[in-house]
Parts: sequence; structure tokens; C-alpha cells
Amino acid sequence: DVKVTQSSRYLVKRTGEKVFLECVQDMDHENMFWYRQDPGLGLRLIYFSYDVKMKEKGDIPEGYSVSREKKERFSLILESASTNQTSMYLCASSTQGFGFSPLHFGNGTRLTVT
Amino acid sequence: QKEVEQNSGPLSVPEGAIASLNCTYSDRGSQSFFWYRQYSGKSPELIMFIYSNGDKEDGRFTAQLNKASQYVSLLIRDSQPSDSATYLCVPRNASPNTGNQFYFGTGTSLTVIP
Repeated sequence: DVKVTQSSRYLVKRTGEKVFLECVQDMDHENMFWYRQDPGLGLRLIYFSYDVKMKEKGDIPEGYSVSREKKERFSLILESASTNQTSMYLCASSTQGFGFSPLHFGNGTRLTVT
Repeated sequence: QKEVEQNSGPLSVPEGAIASLNCTYSDRGSQSFFWYRQYSGKSPELIMFIYSNGDKEDGRFTAQLNKASQYVSLLIRDSQPSDSATYLCVPRNASPNTGNQFYFGTGTSLTVIP
């Protein structure tokens, strides 16, 4: 079974802090994604990566950056956390799969910025 | 126009009944369609996928796809209280010029009443 592991289940940070969310997958997937999920808004794509050191902006990249130095690891960075970044963050991975590969999600990180 | 439209619900059905969840999508280039179940506070888990027009059955679940009408549905037979969750319809377009697009709506909330 594919395993996508997010480093923290719950995180509380202060406004202005630099925050790192880590994600590791064990199935050699090319694609990795970061989403945030807020009530009534569904999942929104922040960034994705289709290869090591490659990244693409999603729908809401402002205030975030990412790093992918190794194929199995994809990090989301909040450069200066703000209260409007309080949310559930979901990491996911998939193969290229010619369109037939699903997303595999981690357990999520519930981030609270105070 | 939203890329994925689902009735947000809540949809309530009595235990043992058939629950019918519907989804329309706008990207005609979508090649595969995934149904995820998400319990409150948890991450989405894959329950069904379908690529070809017609029906696909897996246990109590049946997915239906009509690409001409851009319509996907999920039927849950003999609904159980444990089926109470939000269901996400997720089309995927992995054509080279779309950058691995997975489309998310806000999902349909299902409540199965004992």
C-alpha cells in the first residue's frame, strides 16, 4: 500500500513564524501535491511538483513556498505565518500514470496560527 | 463555471436504502474519475474509480460514467451509518498541457440515519 506520511498531525504556531510542513511518500511517485482544505471551500491546490527540484504554482500559492530536494520528500513552507493560514493541510502523491493514477493522501496537518 | 459540481447536501437516507450521489464536470479532456470518502477531520480515502462509459461495481458501490453528458455518479446500496461522510468526485486530466490536473468540488455530505 502507498504510504504518505505528514510529519505533524496538529501544529500551533504564532503569527510571523516560519513554518515547515513535511511530507514523505514511499512509492517512488513522480508527482506530489500540497492542498489546503477549509469548510465550504473544498480542497485548493497550493503547489505541486512533478520531479525533483521542479515545482508549479497551484491556485493559491501566495504566502507559501515549497522544496523538493529528494523524490520522496515534498516540503511546504509558510514564510511568515498569518492567521488566515489556519487550515487543514493535505499532502498527496500520484504516479504519472497516463491519467489513470489516483491521488494518495497523507493524514493531514491541522495548523492553527495564533 | 465551476469545474466540478456536486450537490453539497446534506443528503439524508435511512439505513438500508440506496444513496445516489451526482457530479458534473466541465473539462472534456478528463480521462479518469475518482470517488473519495472523507470522514470529518480525516483525509480523503479512495473508494472507487472509473475510466470508461457505463457502470462499474465494487461491493456495495457502483460508479456510473457518461462522458458525453459530463456526468458521474456513485450509488451506495444497503447504506450503513458508517457510510456517513463527505463524498468527493475528482476528475483527472493528465494531458501534457494541463499539468496533472485533479479537479475538486466541495463534495456531498451524506448522512445515513439508523
